[in-house]
Amino acid sequence: SSELTQDPAVSVALGQTVRITCQGDSLRSYYASWYQQKPGQAPVLVIYGKNNRPSGIPDRFSGSSSGNTASLTITGAQAEDEADYYCNSRDSSGNRDWVFGGGTKLTVL
Amino acid sequence: QVQLVESGGGVVQPGGSLRLSCAASGFTFSSYGMHWVRQAPGKGLEWVAFIRYDGSNKYYADSVKGRFTISRDNSKNTLYLQMNSLRAEDTAVYYCAKDMSGSGGSCPDYWGQGTLVTVSS
Repeated sequence: SSELTQDPAVSVALGQTVRITCQGDSLRSYYASWYQQKPGQAPVLVIYGKNNRPSGIPDRFSGSSSGNTASLTITGAQAEDEADYYCNSRDSSGNRDWVFGGGTKLTVL
Repeated sequence: QVQLVESGGGVVQPGGSLRLSCAASGFTFSSYGMHWVRQAPGKGLEWVAFIRYDGSNKYYADSVKGRFTISRDNSKNTLYLQMNSLRAEDTAVYYCAKDMSGSGGSCPDYWGQGTLVTVSS
């Protein structure tokens, strides 16, 4: 099955912009979706499709994609954005599966 | 509002079985595909299984294929995961999640709070 690779940890100063990336062959065929997970809580969808935000997700969250890399950008990071972020997409290897990246721990300084 | 409530987790011995349930409300359950996703303690998310809105197609991760069975009862708005031949590495919080589409061409959007399965002797 396909794999999605994320940096294990990223940090950003309060109010600055941060980009979290996700790499994988399946991203050449499918859009990534992005999930935010805070300790002890269930994941929350923050970006899906080309660059769509579910209702209630602040517009400082945006998504983009190029080649085999998808990115989640937080413009003006807030303290409450500190969390684990996971990318997800369909598997393009022939299996009708889904795959998650290993996750990125975002620290807001 | 969409609500997903998992139940059925607990402690089970290696080689044992367990059935998880997920009660859905706040949306037309019979119109959407459903996923099970798990998270081992301190680890990342792992997709486990998907079932189409009508139960006609089911897909499984290689790690659980042949041991786990996903099913649904649209008359009861309930999703299930039958887990057999459990191993220590199946220890995780198991989440059910609603897909954005019926046939599975999209991604999970709403998630339950999860139920913990511990496989230990």
